[in-house]
Amino acid sequence: KAGVTQTPRYLIKTRGQQVTLSCSPISGHRSVSWYQQTPGQGLQFLFEYFSETQRNKGNFPGRFSGRQFSNSRSEMNVSTLELGDSALYLCASSSTATADTQYFGPGTRLTVL
Amino acid sequence: GDSVTQMEGPVTLSEEAFLTINCTYTATGYPSLFWYVQYPGEGLQLLLKATKADDKGSNKGFEATYRKETTSFHLEKGSVQVSDSAVYFCALRAFLSNFGNEKLTFGTGTRLTIIP
Repeated sequence: KAGVTQTPRYLIKTRGQQVTLSCSPISGHRSVSWYQQTPGQGLQFLFEYFSETQRNKGNFPGRFSGRQFSNSRSEMNVSTLELGDSALYLCASSSTATADTQYFGPGTRLTVL
Repeated sequence: GDSVTQMEGPVTLSEEAFLTINCTYTATGYPSLFWYVQYPGEGLQLLLKATKADDKGSNKGFEATYRKETTSFHLEKGSVQVSDSAVYFCALRAFLSNFGNEKLTFGTGTRLTIIP
């Protein structure tokens, strides 16, 4: 069974632009969560989707948004990029509504210049 | 709120040495506990987990026991290899309801380097 895939793997943007990252969960998984990883703040939770509904949201500004499609694929969008948005963005999927294990993708490395 | 405290790194050991990475937590309810490993340039891989007190998770020679009385989940390995060099993250998830896939709360990570 294929793992979690994320596209693109690397991205370079400039301040003020917007970006969309994509995540395809493991086949059959309906829950998708997004995390931001930076050297200074570590791993921080962005949001979680289940069956196309956002169920949990972390403490990030409204510039960060996401959605989930009927096939469970998810996208996250960051508008008006800032230098501090440079990070590794990780997507994780799990199989049930109360899943006890999340499986991570390789991440998208975003660099904002 | 929930939190995870890991021992500060980096940790450098010689091959075949004994490894302990300390992890303690605070959480409401009864959390599940996890260790994830991140190799350079990659995402996180689940190493092991435990879902209730006194459970022992194990994988690839690594072990960790869920200790409710000391709120700890220390990672151990009896004989480390160069290939174990990576960053290790302790994490918890505490369920608040039957319908919430609550977020993972991570520790800061411990960078481990094994010298041949």
